[in-house]
Amino acid sequence: AQSVTQLDSQVPVFEEAPVELRCNYSSSVSVYLFWYVQYPNQGLQLLLKYLSGSTLVKGINGFEAEFNKSQTSFHLRKPSVHISDTAEYFCAVRMTGGGNKLTFGTGTQLKVEL
Amino acid sequence: ETGVTQSPTHLIKTRGQQVTLRCSSQSGHNTVSWYQQALGQGPQFIFQYYREEENGRGNFPPRFSGLQFPNYSSELNVNALELDDSALYLCASSLVQGQSYGYTFGSGTRLTVV
Repeated sequence: AQSVTQLDSQVPVFEEAPVELRCNYSSSVSVYLFWYVQYPNQGLQLLLKYLSGSTLVKGINGFEAEFNKSQTSFHLRKPSVHISDTAEYFCAVRMTGGGNKLTFGTGTQLKVEL
Repeated sequence: ETGVTQSPTHLIKTRGQQVTLRCSSQSGHNTVSWYQQALGQGPQFIFQYYREEENGRGNFPPRFSGLQFPNYSSELNVNALELDDSALYLCASSLVQGQSYGYTFGSGTRLTVV
């Protein structure tokens, strides 16, 4: 079974400052890794995903994440945030060898302030 | 792309009643998954349908059931509603291609059980 831990439930940050949202996972098998964003009263939008290859993954809206197998982490970063980045961010994993479900963390609320 | 459409957007039901939620998959997608997102939590996998058959299920009781139709639209049915069933229900469609397919989420149905 897999599990995902997002230690930070809320992250406040000033506009134009850098931000890192942390994600650690636990799995007995290889996984694919995802970051999703959820704006208020909306569904989930894919930011980026790691399937294989380069451990640094670039996504939409200037976000990137780095897969660290030894640390079992997949932290999300953005060098300069904007007010419009205020949202809930979810890290998720899926087994590579089959299986269909995404296992999500509990989410991190990013609040960008002026 | 047509995206994933869910209906209704909001619903209020009484404990003990039954409810049906609907999802229209993104054009070309042959797989649909359903997730339950309780307030302040990450989405939890309910089940997945592929070619009109359930092919994966999370830790949900049998009163949660589903259907997938030949046009790949889907329904989630919940019988004997309980207060804890109050949540945002998300539908996600995908196209199975090898082991690395992506998911497109709908905006969800907000179910309130009173």
